Amino acid sequence: DAGITQSPRHKVTETGTPVTLRCHQTENHRYMYWYRQDPGHGLRLIHYSYGVKDTDKGEVSDGYSVSRSKTEDFLLTLESATSSQTSVYFCAISDWGGAPDTQYFGPGTRLTVL
Amino acid sequence: AQTVTQSQPEMSVQEAETVTLSCTYDTSESNYYLFWYKQPPSRQMILVIRQEAYKQQNATENRFSVNFQKAAKSFSLKISDSQLGDTAMYFCAFMGRVGGNQFYFGTGTSLTVIP
Repeated sequence: DAGITQSPRHKVTETGTPVTLRCHQTENHRYMYWYRQDPGHGLRLIHYSYGVKDTDKGEVSDGYSVSRSKTEDFLLTLESATSSQTSVYFCAISDWGGAPDTQYFGPGTRLTVL
Repeated sequence: AQTVTQSQPEMSVQEAETVTLSCTYDTSESNYYLFWYKQPPSRQMILVIRQEAYKQQNATENRFSVNFQKAAKSFSLKISDSQLGDTAMYFCAFMGRVGGNQFYFGTGTSLTVIP
């Protein structure tokens, strides 16, 4: 299994509070991604990174920001959480070597915004 | 954006039987990759099989195989000799070369293997 961890694994927070989710990898992969999973929608891309300090928006980026200061860490921040951001969040990694076009996923973080 | 459609929200199969999950996609690209991921109740996303569009031969991984029809933009997953451990949500995914190695997922098919 690819070495990907996410923290926290579960979080309950209140509307309007800031929340940061962390993804950590030990594979030295260049690409990292944040998805959210909601019933009836599958997985939708929030933001992704193609290198340190290089990030871009995905399909559902509104209300989210990301940062990547080191190869191994990719942070997802909800500046002011809303109930619509209650979801399961997955981090994924990918690279251009080996099997370059396969994404490997972390275990997920369940976020509940009350 | 690319679209991936899984038209079967739920399916069931008897243990040891064969089942086929459907997936269609829409793209104008000629070089791309297709994937099936499995998500059991543990929620972990597990790669089942991948197919490169420029390869005509259908991919196979043990009991899992695909029927890739490029002209029809169809990518179905066949599970042979179904086992109880195959009970999971299955997602079809597309990755093209335009737009930073992004994946596009279908909405999933929930498969239940009946003992």
